[in-house]
Amino acid sequence: AQSVTQLGSHVSVSEGALVLLRCNYSSSVPPYLFWYVQYPNQGLQLLLKYTTGATLVKGINGFEAEFKKSETSFHLTKPSAHMSDAAEYFCAVPSGGSQGNLIFGKGTKLSVKP
Amino acid sequence: EADIYQTPRYLVIGTGKKITLECSQTMGHDKMYWYQQDPGMELHLIHYSYGVNSTEKGDLSSESTVSRIRTEHFPLTLESARPSHTSQYLCASSLTMNTEAFFGQGTRLTVV
Repeated sequence: AQSVTQLGSHVSVSEGALVLLRCNYSSSVPPYLFWYVQYPNQGLQLLLKYTTGATLVKGINGFEAEFKKSETSFHLTKPSAHMSDAAEYFCAVPSGGSQGNLIFGKGTKLSVKP
Repeated sequence: EADIYQTPRYLVIGTGKKITLECSQTMGHDKMYWYQQDPGMELHLIHYSYGVNSTEKGDLSSESTVSRIRTEHFPLTLESARPSHTSQYLCASSLTMNTEAFFGQGTRLTVV
């Protein structure tokens, strides 16, 4: 069964610093991979989506993610953090089963220090 | 901007009460889902639907029930709320299976 692992439940960066949030998937190469963002007391918003064949995926708010098959990774990056980036970020992969749902990691809470 | 709406956003209710969490979407999606979210945990699928008159239980056992009489509406009901039901409930929909889902803003339920 598919699963994703997010390393680091909490990441803290200074404003203007590089943001790196880690996600590794298990099993075979999935057809899709997703990053979602959740602001406090909000639902999940799609940040970006990987589809087969792409390696670097650009998303909203200046975020991008690189798919690396050799490392089974799909890490999320942003060159320069902004205070408004403070939120929780979830990596997700399709379950691949008949339920048709997404399987989510436990999330990484990003704090941005002024 | 996602066109999926959940009401109420926040609910505090006493033990034993019956509650219904509403979820509606205007995107015409056949697939709809209910997830339960607790701090520091993965989102857990508790119910899903392939379309009208289709409802299935998800991976996480839940005492709640759902219905799907109309494509756009997927309410979740708890017949007798208990403190263990305190959680955030997220509704989502997708155009096809195993692809991106669009989420409502969630209902944070507290049972006292």
